[in-house]
Formats: sequence, structure tokens, C-alpha cells
Amino acid sequence: NAGVTQTPKFQVLKTGQSMTLQCAQDMNHNSMYWYRQDPGMGLRLIYYSASEGTTDKGEVPNGYNVSRLNKREFSLRLESAAPSQTSVYFCASSERQGFGNSPLHFGNGTRLTVT
Amino acid sequence: DAKTTQPNSMESNEEEPVHLPCNHSTISGTDYIHWYRQLPSQGPEYVIHGLTSNVNNRMASLAIAEDRKSSTLILHRATLRDAAVYYCILRGGAGANSKLTFGKGITLSVRP
Repeated sequence: NAGVTQTPKFQVLKTGQSMTLQCAQDMNHNSMYWYRQDPGMGLRLIYYSASEGTTDKGEVPNGYNVSRLNKREFSLRLESAAPSQTSVYFCASSERQGFGNSPLHFGNGTRLTVT
Repeated sequence: DAKTTQPNSMESNEEEPVHLPCNHSTISGTDYIHWYRQLPSQGPEYVIHGLTSNVNNRMASLAIAEDRKSSTLILHRATLRDAAVYYCILRGGAGANSKLTFGKGITLSVRP
């Protein structure tokens, strides 16, 4: 049982390049999330998808777009990467958003550097 | 927004119990208290959660104050592998993304 899988694990981009971070979960969860974590900081929510077909902004959505491709997959796109987007990106899933009795399950992250 | 506050860091000796505190004075009646931990270079890992009653699982225990304004994660016998950042967050409330916020957590160091 793989849980939450993120690809790629590492990526280096130049300023202005675009890329898509992929996330897939095999737990049949309804809700999925994208976080970023900067050195010495906690996790900040970028976007989330409470259920298939819906997406909502989190705390730091600027410069990102998301797609909930199907129930399993939730991708994060950087259209024009900036050095400020250098970070570690974590995808997570839960059975249901807005349901407190529903733990988050995280992937192991994508380490992105923008030069 | 219902937020949590935690000390920045704590130290413990190996094989001794560890009590990690969390304050959440503005918790609402539907909020569950969740704890996660993050080992170096890994994603956060779920530890335990509860609503009102104390909870136990194979990893830890969660003690929740009677007024629910604070909670304590208890590691019964700390090991070197328990050195990590521990996050206390609140989850609950339909559509409230503020309930998905992680602070900086507590950095736990374990001395051999």
C-alpha cells in the first residue's frame, strides 16, 4: 500500500520555467491538499480539494494552479517559477475535509529549487 | 481562527517519558485535536487525535484538558528515533481551511 506518492522527488528550475508536481493517493480519500514548507517554518496550505471536482485556495495560493484530475490525483502547477517558490512541497490526503475525525496522510515531498 | 501555540523546543533523555504541551484556547466544539510528527527529510506523519477523551495508541497517548483549551502528547519512553518536530493542529468545521494550518511545532531533541 503506497499511500500518497509524489513525483518528482527533486527538481531544479530556472526562473520563468513551468512545471507540474504530481500527487496520487491509493486510499480512496475524498480530500487532497498541497502544502509548502520553507526552512525553519511550519507547513503552509497552498490549495486543497475537498472532493473530486472542487478546489479552494489556502493560505498562500499566489503563483500556483491546481487540478483535481480524478479522485486519486491532484496536481500543482507553477506557470512561471520564481526563486521565492524554492521550497519543499508536500501533498496530503484525508478521508474527508471538514470532518475532524479524519487524519491527514502525507507524501514524502518534492524538493524544488528555482535559480 | 482557532490556532494552536506550542513551545519552540524541548529536550528529553532516552527512555524517559516526554510530555509535549499544546494550547488551543479558542477551540470550537467540533474541532478535533490532531498531532503529527516530522522526521528529518520526511513528510509529516500522523500520530494521534482526539475530541474530548484521552486517547492511546501504539505510538503515544493524548491527554485533553477538561475544558479542551489545552492538550498534551505523551511519549511514554522516548527513543532516539522520536527526535522530530511535533505539530499540534485542530481539524474540523466544514470548509474552514484555517483549520488546516500548521505552526512551527515543537522540536524534540532526545539525549542518549
